[in-house]
Amino acid sequence: KAGVTQTPRYLIKTRGQQVTLSCSPISGHRSVSWYQQTPGQGLQFLFEYFSETQRNKGNFPGRFSGRQFSNSRSEMNVSTLELGDSALYLCASSLNTGGSYNEQFFGPGTRLTVL
Amino acid sequence: DQQVKQNSPSLSVQEGRISILNCDYTNSMFDYFLWYKKYPAEGPTFLISISSIKDKNEDGRFTVFLNKSAKHLSLHIVPSQPGDSAVYFCAFQSNFGNEKLTFGTGTRLTIIP
Repeated sequence: KAGVTQTPRYLIKTRGQQVTLSCSPISGHRSVSWYQQTPGQGLQFLFEYFSETQRNKGNFPGRFSGRQFSNSRSEMNVSTLELGDSALYLCASSLNTGGSYNEQFFGPGTRLTVL
Repeated sequence: DQQVKQNSPSLSVQEGRISILNCDYTNSMFDYFLWYKKYPAEGPTFLISISSIKDKNEDGRFTVFLNKSAKHLSLHIVPSQPGDSAVYFCAFQSNFGNEKLTFGTGTRLTIIP
Protein backbone atom coordinates (compact mmCIF):
# COMPACT_ATOMS: atom_id res chain seq x y z
CA LYS A 1 0.00 0.00 0.00
CA ALA A 2 1.48 3.35 -1.01
CA GLY A 3 2.14 5.83 1.77
CA VAL A 4 1.24 9.49 1.98
CA THR A 5 2.83 11.43 -0.84
CA GLN A 6 3.55 15.13 -0.93
CA THR A 7 4.57 17.28 -3.86
CA PRO A 8 6.77 19.07 -4.42
CA ARG A 9 9.42 17.93 -1.97
CA TYR A 10 11.36 21.18 -2.13
CA LEU A 11 10.30 24.68 -3.07
CA ILE A 12 11.97 28.07 -3.11
CA LYS A 13 9.86 31.21 -3.27
CA THR A 14 10.35 34.91 -2.64
CA ARG A 15 8.50 37.13 -0.20
CA GLY A 16 5.07 38.19 -1.38
CA GLN A 17 4.55 35.20 -3.66
CA GLN A 18 2.01 32.49 -3.05
CA VAL A 19 2.49 28.75 -2.98
CA THR A 20 0.35 25.62 -3.26
CA LEU A 21 1.38 22.31 -1.74
CA SER A 22 -0.24 18.98 -2.52
CA CYS A 23 -0.89 15.88 -0.45
CA SER A 24 -2.22 12.48 -1.56
CA PRO A 25 -3.37 10.39 1.40
CA ILE A 26 -3.18 6.64 1.77
CA SER A 27 -5.91 4.99 -0.28
CA GLY A 28 -9.11 4.78 1.77
CA HIS A 29 -8.08 7.47 4.25
CA ARG A 30 -10.58 10.29 4.44
CA SER A 31 -8.97 12.58 6.97
CA VAL A 32 -6.03 14.79 5.98
CA SER A 33 -4.22 17.09 8.40
CA TRP A 34 -1.47 19.62 7.77
CA TYR A 35 1.35 20.60 10.12
CA GLN A 36 4.14 23.16 9.99
CA GLN A 37 7.52 22.25 11.46
CA THR A 38 10.03 24.98 12.29
CA PRO A 39 13.11 24.85 14.52
CA GLY A 40 11.67 27.42 16.91
CA GLN A 41 8.04 26.29 17.17
CA GLY A 42 8.26 22.57 16.54
CA LEU A 43 5.33 20.79 14.88
CA GLN A 44 2.20 22.91 14.82
CA PHE A 45 -1.24 21.94 13.60
CA LEU A 46 -2.55 23.96 10.66
CA PHE A 47 -5.90 22.36 9.79
CA GLU A 48 -7.72 19.10 9.19
CA TYR A 49 -10.07 18.11 6.39
CA PHE A 50 -12.56 15.28 6.33
CA SER A 51 -14.93 14.58 3.47
CA GLU A 52 -14.01 17.88 1.80
CA THR A 53 -14.87 19.90 4.93
CA GLN A 54 -12.48 21.68 7.25
CA ARG A 55 -13.13 20.16 10.68
CA ASN A 56 -10.48 21.83 12.75
CA LYS A 57 -8.15 24.77 12.39
CA GLY A 58 -4.99 25.76 14.22
CA ASN A 59 -3.83 29.20 15.21
CA PHE A 60 -2.46 30.45 11.90
CA PRO A 61 -3.30 33.63 9.96
CA GLY A 62 -5.80 33.62 7.13
CA ARG A 63 -2.95 33.56 4.60
CA PHE A 64 -2.88 29.82 5.23
CA SER A 65 -5.75 27.98 3.61
CA GLY A 66 -6.53 24.53 2.37
CA ARG A 67 -9.03 22.35 0.64
CA GLN A 68 -9.83 18.72 0.08
CA PHE A 69 -11.13 17.11 -3.06
CA SER A 70 -13.66 14.32 -3.46
CA ASN A 71 -10.84 11.76 -3.85
CA SER A 72 -9.47 12.92 -0.44
CA ARG A 73 -6.41 14.57 -1.97
CA SER A 74 -5.68 17.86 -0.27
CA GLU A 75 -3.90 21.10 -1.08
CA MET A 76 -2.75 23.89 1.14
CA ASN A 77 -2.08 27.41 -0.02
CA VAL A 78 -0.02 30.16 1.54
CA SER A 79 -0.49 33.63 0.11
CA THR A 80 1.75 36.67 0.49
CA LEU A 81 4.68 34.62 1.71
CA GLU A 82 6.81 35.90 4.58
CA LEU A 83 10.32 34.87 5.57
CA GLY A 84 8.90 33.20 8.66
CA ASP A 85 6.87 30.81 6.51
CA SER A 86 10.05 28.92 5.70
CA ALA A 87 9.40 25.50 7.18
CA LEU A 88 8.78 21.84 6.56
CA TYR A 89 5.09 21.33 5.79
CA LEU A 90 3.82 17.88 6.70
CA CYS A 91 0.64 16.18 5.70
CA ALA A 92 -0.90 13.28 7.62
CA SER A 93 -3.80 11.00 6.77
CA SER A 94 -5.92 8.63 8.82
CA LEU A 95 -8.89 6.32 8.39
CA ASN A 96 -10.78 8.25 11.02
CA THR A 97 -13.27 5.56 11.91
CA GLY A 98 -14.49 7.65 14.83
CA GLY A 99 -14.37 6.99 18.56
CA SER A 100 -10.94 5.82 19.60
CA TYR A 101 -7.54 6.97 18.45
CA ASN A 102 -6.85 6.67 14.74
CA GLU A 103 -3.21 6.30 13.80
CA GLN A 104 -2.03 9.10 11.59
CA PHE A 105 0.45 8.45 8.81
CA PHE A 106 2.73 11.27 7.76
CA GLY A 107 4.18 12.09 4.39
CA PRO A 108 7.84 13.10 3.92
CA GLY A 109 6.95 16.79 3.85
CA THR A 110 7.55 19.74 1.55
CA ARG A 111 10.52 21.93 2.47
CA LEU A 112 9.55 25.53 1.69
CA THR A 113 12.22 28.22 1.66
CA VAL A 114 11.16 31.85 1.39
CA LEU A 115 13.86 34.29 0.29
CA ASP B 1 0.56 28.65 25.02
CA GLN B 2 2.97 25.74 25.44
CA GLN B 3 0.77 22.83 26.39
CA VAL B 4 3.48 20.22 25.92
CA LYS B 5 7.15 20.35 26.92
CA GLN B 6 10.04 18.06 26.25
CA ASN B 7 12.71 19.57 28.46
CA SER B 8 15.63 17.60 27.07
CA PRO B 9 16.45 18.67 23.52
CA SER B 10 19.01 15.88 23.25
CA LEU B 11 19.98 12.63 24.92
CA SER B 12 22.89 10.24 24.37
CA VAL B 13 22.70 6.63 25.53
CA GLN B 14 25.06 3.69 25.23
CA GLU B 15 23.88 0.85 23.01
CA GLY B 16 22.16 -1.85 25.07
CA ARG B 17 21.23 0.51 27.92
CA ILE B 18 17.82 2.01 28.64
CA SER B 19 16.73 5.25 26.97
CA ILE B 20 14.16 7.32 28.86
CA LEU B 21 12.43 10.22 27.14
CA ASN B 22 10.14 12.53 29.05
CA CYS B 23 7.28 14.85 28.30
CA ASP B 24 5.18 17.16 30.50
CA TYR B 25 1.79 18.57 29.61
CA THR B 26 -0.68 21.03 31.06
CA ASN B 27 -3.97 20.23 29.30
CA SER B 28 -6.10 17.78 31.29
CA MET B 29 -8.45 17.22 28.35
CA PHE B 30 -6.11 15.01 26.34
CA ASP B 31 -7.45 11.50 25.76
CA TYR B 32 -4.60 9.84 23.88
CA PHE B 33 -0.89 10.14 24.41
CA LEU B 34 1.50 9.12 21.68
CA TRP B 35 5.14 8.94 20.72
CA TYR B 36 6.38 9.56 17.21
CA LYS B 37 9.87 8.99 15.85
CA LYS B 38 11.37 11.09 13.07
CA TYR B 39 14.39 10.50 10.88
CA PRO B 40 15.86 13.35 8.81
CA ALA B 41 14.10 13.97 5.48
CA GLU B 42 11.17 11.75 6.52
CA GLY B 43 7.83 12.41 8.14
CA PRO B 44 7.20 11.31 11.74
CA THR B 45 6.23 7.66 12.20
CA PHE B 46 3.94 6.45 14.95
CA LEU B 47 5.66 4.43 17.65
CA ILE B 48 3.32 3.71 20.54
CA SER B 49 0.24 5.15 22.22
CA ILE B 50 -1.62 5.03 25.51
CA SER B 51 -5.13 6.13 26.38
CA SER B 52 -5.91 8.30 29.38
CA ILE B 53 -7.48 5.39 31.25
CA LYS B 54 -4.23 3.42 31.39
CA ASP B 55 -0.89 4.05 33.02
CA LYS B 56 1.34 1.73 31.01
CA ASN B 57 1.53 0.22 27.56
CA GLU B 58 4.22 -2.06 26.19
CA ASP B 59 5.18 -2.96 22.65
CA GLY B 60 8.35 -4.96 22.35
CA ARG B 61 11.30 -2.83 23.40
CA PHE B 62 9.09 0.24 23.87
CA THR B 63 7.06 1.04 26.98
CA VAL B 64 5.05 4.21 27.53
CA PHE B 65 4.14 5.36 31.04
CA LEU B 66 1.45 7.90 31.86
CA ASN B 67 1.26 9.68 35.21
CA LYS B 68 -1.92 11.72 35.02
CA SER B 69 -1.62 13.28 38.46
CA ALA B 70 1.82 14.63 37.56
CA LYS B 71 0.80 15.27 33.92
CA HIS B 72 3.88 13.39 32.82
CA LEU B 73 4.47 10.98 29.95
CA SER B 74 7.60 8.93 29.40
CA LEU B 75 8.95 6.48 26.86
CA HIS B 76 11.37 3.73 27.80
CA ILE B 77 13.40 1.95 25.14
CA VAL B 78 15.27 -1.12 26.29
CA PRO B 79 17.68 -2.28 25.08
CA SER B 80 18.60 0.75 22.97
CA GLN B 81 19.87 0.05 19.47
CA PRO B 82 21.76 2.25 16.98
CA GLY B 83 18.68 2.33 14.72
CA ASP B 84 16.80 4.09 17.53
CA SER B 85 18.84 7.25 16.90
CA ALA B 86 16.23 9.79 15.78
CA VAL B 87 14.16 12.70 17.04
CA TYR B 88 11.30 11.62 19.30
CA PHE B 89 8.14 13.67 19.69
CA CYS B 90 5.44 13.16 22.26
CA ALA B 91 2.00 14.04 20.93
CA PHE B 92 -1.43 14.39 22.43
CA GLN B 93 -4.93 14.09 21.08
CA SER B 94 -8.32 14.97 22.43
CA ASN B 95 -11.53 13.19 21.46
CA PHE B 96 -13.06 16.58 20.83
CA GLY B 97 -10.23 17.81 18.61
CA ASN B 98 -10.83 15.29 15.85
CA GLU B 99 -7.46 14.35 14.39
CA LYS B 100 -5.53 17.33 15.74
CA LEU B 101 -2.26 16.35 17.39
CA THR B 102 -0.46 18.66 19.80
CA PHE B 103 3.26 17.92 19.64
CA GLY B 104 6.14 18.43 22.02
CA THR B 105 9.32 20.12 20.80
CA GLY B 106 11.22 16.88 20.33
CA THR B 107 14.23 15.12 21.85
CA ARG B 108 17.13 14.04 19.68
CA LEU B 109 18.22 10.59 20.85
CA THR B 110 21.68 9.37 19.90
CA ILE B 111 22.63 5.76 20.61
CA ILE B 112 26.36 5.33 21.01
CA PRO B 113 27.66 1.97 19.72
